[in-house]
Amino acid sequence: QLVLTQSPSASASLGASVRLTCTLSSGHSNYAIAWHQQQPEKGPRFLMKITSDGSHKKGDWIPDRFSGSSSGAERSLTISRLQSEDEADYYCQTWSTDSVVFGGGTKLTVL
Amino acid sequence: QVQLVESGGGVVQPGRSLRLSCAASGFSFSNYAMHWVRQAPGKGLEWVAGISYDGTTKYYPDSVKGRFTISRDNSKNTLFLQMNSLRTEDTALYYCAKDDGGKYATMVDYWGQGTLVTVP
Repeated sequence: QLVLTQSPSASASLGASVRLTCTLSSGHSNYAIAWHQQQPEKGPRFLMKITSDGSHKKGDWIPDRFSGSSSGAERSLTISRLQSEDEADYYCQTWSTDSVVFGGGTKLTVL
Repeated sequence: QVQLVESGGGVVQPGRSLRLSCAASGFSFSNYAMHWVRQAPGKGLEWVAGISYDGTTKYYPDSVKGRFTISRDNSKNTLFLQMNSLRTEDTALYYCAKDDGGKYATMVDYWGQGTLVTVP
């Protein structure tokens, strides 16, 4: 079964960097994923797609502070030079031919 | 500029039906698969339906299969979600979402702002 696992919460200081991870279930380590950001009281926004080889494609107007990487079944989102507006929920998403799967989300707190 | 505007939400009694709409603009609607994704209060995102670019292929998770029907009118750039036999657990903000692909599900690359469905 295709499942994505995320840590429920993360925190980092203003101006620092943080790495959020999303782990694909066993047997699915070659799947690509997408990262989405949901700021408080707003709809989600697509950030980037990350493939198994680590290449990524960003959404419109996503700043360079956001980057992605891949290692085995783990897909990561790194946010550098944290700003207050980065405080949000971050969801990873993957897909098969007939379904879409979301991770449980990580709530990022900027200290 | 891609825009997805949902409508049709409201308060509906358990067991009744509701139809959501999503007006799309800023892209070639008929070339892309589309989805509905919901978010219960204080919870995460849950995918509830997907449809291919031409409407011939539709897919659902088990949680809504047989109760929800997704459809589209490419002549009007509009996506629909017919929800029948509604339950209290269907209470959520329902988002319309554009897929990056055409025939099968891939990544979501644009989202609407959502329409709220409440089943008391």
